[in-house]
Amino acid sequence: DTGVSQDPRHKITKRGQNVTFRCDPISEHNRLYWYRQTLGQGPEFLTYFQNEAQLEKSRLLSDRFSAERPKGSFSTLEIQRTEQGDSAMYLCASSLPGERSNGYTFGSGTRLTVV
Amino acid sequence: RKEVEQDPGPFNVPEGATVAFNCTYSNSASQSFFWYRQDCRKEPKLLMSVYSSGNEDGRFTAQLNRASQYISLLIRDSKLSDSATYLCVVNMMDMRFGAGTRLTVKP
Repeated sequence: DTGVSQDPRHKITKRGQNVTFRCDPISEHNRLYWYRQTLGQGPEFLTYFQNEAQLEKSRLLSDRFSAERPKGSFSTLEIQRTEQGDSAMYLCASSLPGERSNGYTFGSGTRLTVV
Repeated sequence: RKEVEQDPGPFNVPEGATVAFNCTYSNSASQSFFWYRQDCRKEPKLLMSVYSSGNEDGRFTAQLNRASQYISLLIRDSKLSDSATYLCVVNMMDMRFGAGTRLTVKP
């Protein structure tokens, strides 16, 4: 499969627990993006990487959220001390920098439910 | 003001109808524009890019008016399979999405 892979597909966690999601982008894509989507809304930008460098972070990304891409390949998104408001679909996408006109390729997402 | 605003919808149309979606964006420095389609509980998928000259892909026509900061999508001869949420997307350094407009095509 040469698409964007996300793991896990679903995660149910108790409030206050930490969770970590993984994204494997398309191998030749050096840009990687994280978005969050809640019901009835479009995806909201969280952060993006070019290779291993995190170039932009949304103010939506509170101190409890951290993202890494240590080797410029896969990325992880960690949420510490989860809250019910963190329940959402977390989407990862990747692209080549020259493909601004061609859009991003999204993974299937990780659906987080905080109970 | 939101960065990208779309028609609230939902749109419920019969098969064969023509339907148009509108979108406005706030940042005049935006560089590129897209329409994405999202099926229920699935990831967004690129439908088409939007160019200043307007572009067409089969039954779908997209137009961009940079002066008015306005984007549109026209779907002709609607099919049942067109039922989905359509997301307007504006790219500056990264993609910013509208809230989406839900379309239901009925027999």
